[in-house]
Amino acid sequence: ELKVEQNPLFLSMQEGKNYTIYCNYSTTSDRLYWYRQDPGKSLESLFVLLSNGAVKQEGRLMASLDTKARLSTLHITAAVHDLSATYFCAVHPTNAGGTSYGKLTFGQGTILTVHP
Amino acid sequence: DARVTQTPRHKVTEMGQEVTMRCQPILGHNTVFWYRQTMMQGLELLAYFRNRAPLDDSGMPKDRFSAEMPDATLATLKIQPSEPRDSAVYFCASGFTPVRLFFGEGSRLTVL
Repeated sequence: ELKVEQNPLFLSMQEGKNYTIYCNYSTTSDRLYWYRQDPGKSLESLFVLLSNGAVKQEGRLMASLDTKARLSTLHITAAVHDLSATYFCAVHPTNAGGTSYGKLTFGQGTILTVHP
Repeated sequence: DARVTQTPRHKVTEMGQEVTMRCQPILGHNTVFWYRQTMMQGLELLAYFRNRAPLDDSGMPKDRFSAEMPDATLATLKIQPSEPRDSAVYFCASGFTPVRLFFGEGSRLTVL
């Protein structure tokens, strides 16, 4: 069974600081997603990483994927209060033939709080 | 602006009652997922469909839950009979697998 683990689960940051959220997964995959969820709201897609070495950046967030290490990172640069939210990574497993099949499994989520 | 539409947004019901949640996926998307979110369990995959065919519902309690896609514009998740432990937010998401999924606003269910 695919396991997706994020750490840390809780992150309290000061504005202006940098930090990284890690996402480890237990099975072969070359497709990883990052989502953001504000309290009481839906999930918003942030990044789709579709190959080993993929790097995507949007504003103060940068995501990367290392399929060999089964690891993705979400790096936050110079945090601002608006980034406070819960961040999820999610993984599609890939079978032996290299076909990605659809069972998207989520990590536990990282609750990020940015304070002055 | 295309979006996934879920109804009802909020539902309060009594234990033993039937609950039906509906989802209208984004037109043209070929994959629909149902997830349940609770504080304790996080996001759990209940069922998903590709081209309206159910591919996996192993995460769903079969004795009381059922999921269907009667047509390409409607997915339903039914609980009968409902129990207090079913209280959660139920999300529907659609997309073109394996590219990104778009989530609906969720249906918040409270079973008393």
